[in-house]
Amino acid sequence: AQSVTQPDARVTVSEGASLQLRCKYSSSVTPYLFWYVQYPRQGLQLLLKYYSGDPVVQGVNGFEAEFSKSNSSFHLRKASVHWSDSAVYFCALNNNAGAKLTFGGGTRLTVRP
Amino acid sequence: EAAVTQSPRSKVAVTGGKVTLSCHQTNNHDYMYWYRQDTGHGLRLIHYSYVADSTEKGDIPDGYKASRPSQENFSLILELASLSQTAVYFCASSDSGNTLYFGEGSRLIVV
Repeated sequence: AQSVTQPDARVTVSEGASLQLRCKYSSSVTPYLFWYVQYPRQGLQLLLKYYSGDPVVQGVNGFEAEFSKSNSSFHLRKASVHWSDSAVYFCALNNNAGAKLTFGGGTRLTVRP
Repeated sequence: EAAVTQSPRSKVAVTGGKVTLSCHQTNNHDYMYWYRQDTGHGLRLIHYSYVADSTEKGDIPDGYKASRPSQENFSLILELASLSQTAVYFCASSDSGNTLYFGEGSRLIVV
């Protein structure tokens, strides 16, 4: 069975600092991987996705993520965060065994001004 | 011009009552989904659908029914609402089953 683990439920950083949000996955095949963001009182919005090829994928608003098959990870990074990046971030995967996405528990990011 | 719209956005229901959450999409997508969000659990899949007039069970279908009368519409039905079904419910659509597009959520409180 596939699964996604986000080990950090909450992360707090100062504005302008760099950011890494961790995501570990378990899948019998190389999955499709996604990062979604949820702003307060809104639905989830796609930040970026990885299907194959270059393990570093670029997303919106300066976010990027790096796929590592050896570590079963898909960590999200940003060089310099802004207060408006405060939100909940979800990692998700699809292992192509059906049209279903499996989500991690989410990481709540707070950016201090 | 939201492509996935949910109604109602918020509802208070009594235990044992019937609740219907509705979802409408204008993306022309074949796939539609209902997820439940609880603090600490992320999103969990309740029901989904590949095509009109057909629904599939997700990971936590107990206590829920789904209906897909057309490509655009997908409803989630709680026949006998219970306290444990208090949560935020999200509808989503997808053309390929990979990238999902979400509605803004429906907050349900069962009292």
